[in-house]
Amino acid sequence: AQSVTQLDSQVPVFEEAPVELRCNYSSSVSVYLFWYVQYPNQGLQLLLKYLSGSTLVESINGFEAEFNKSQTSFHLRKPSVHISDTAEYFCAVSETSGSRLTFGEGTQLTVNP
Amino acid sequence: NAGVMQNPRHLVRRRGQEARLRCSPMKGHSHVYWYRQLPEEGLKFMVYLQKENIIDESGMPKERFSAEFPKEGPSILRIQQVVRGDSAAYFCASSHAVGTSGYGYTFGSGTRLTVV
Repeated sequence: AQSVTQLDSQVPVFEEAPVELRCNYSSSVSVYLFWYVQYPNQGLQLLLKYLSGSTLVESINGFEAEFNKSQTSFHLRKPSVHISDTAEYFCAVSETSGSRLTFGEGTQLTVNP
Repeated sequence: NAGVMQNPRHLVRRRGQEARLRCSPMKGHSHVYWYRQLPEEGLKFMVYLQKENIIDESGMPKERFSAEFPKEGPSILRIQQVVRGDSAAYFCASSHAVGTSGYGYTFGSGTRLTVV
């Protein structure tokens, strides 16, 4: 079984500031890692994923996450946030051979002007 | 190519009534997953279905909840005799084959159930 811990439930930042949303996972087997974003009253959208290969993965809108196997972490970062990045962000994990996603509790990112 | 379609978007039920939530997967997808998001919480897995089969229902409450994915038509999540604690957002996701979790699922916009 896997578990995911998102260390911050809320992260307020000012526009154009850098941000890091932290995620740690626990699993006894190989995993895939994901970040999803949820805007108010909407479904989840896949932001980025780590499957294999390079430990640094990027999204099209400037977010990046780094898989750190020794620390079992997959923190999400952005060097300069926009107001439009305000949303809830979920870290998720699945076994490489499985089909179920296990989600963290979510981090509410609020970008203030 | 429509995405995963869920309806209704919002559903209000009185305690004791039945709630039926529908999910039409993406075209070509034969695997459906249901997740529940309670207020201020993350998504919790409920059930995984393929056409006419329940593959994994380990996340389903033992009573009052059932799910089906018939050969024709949408997947249905049914909650009988709803209680206030059932108030949540219910999300459906689909994939085209088993073991494709590496590609991330496609989620619907969810059904927000309110029990009054």
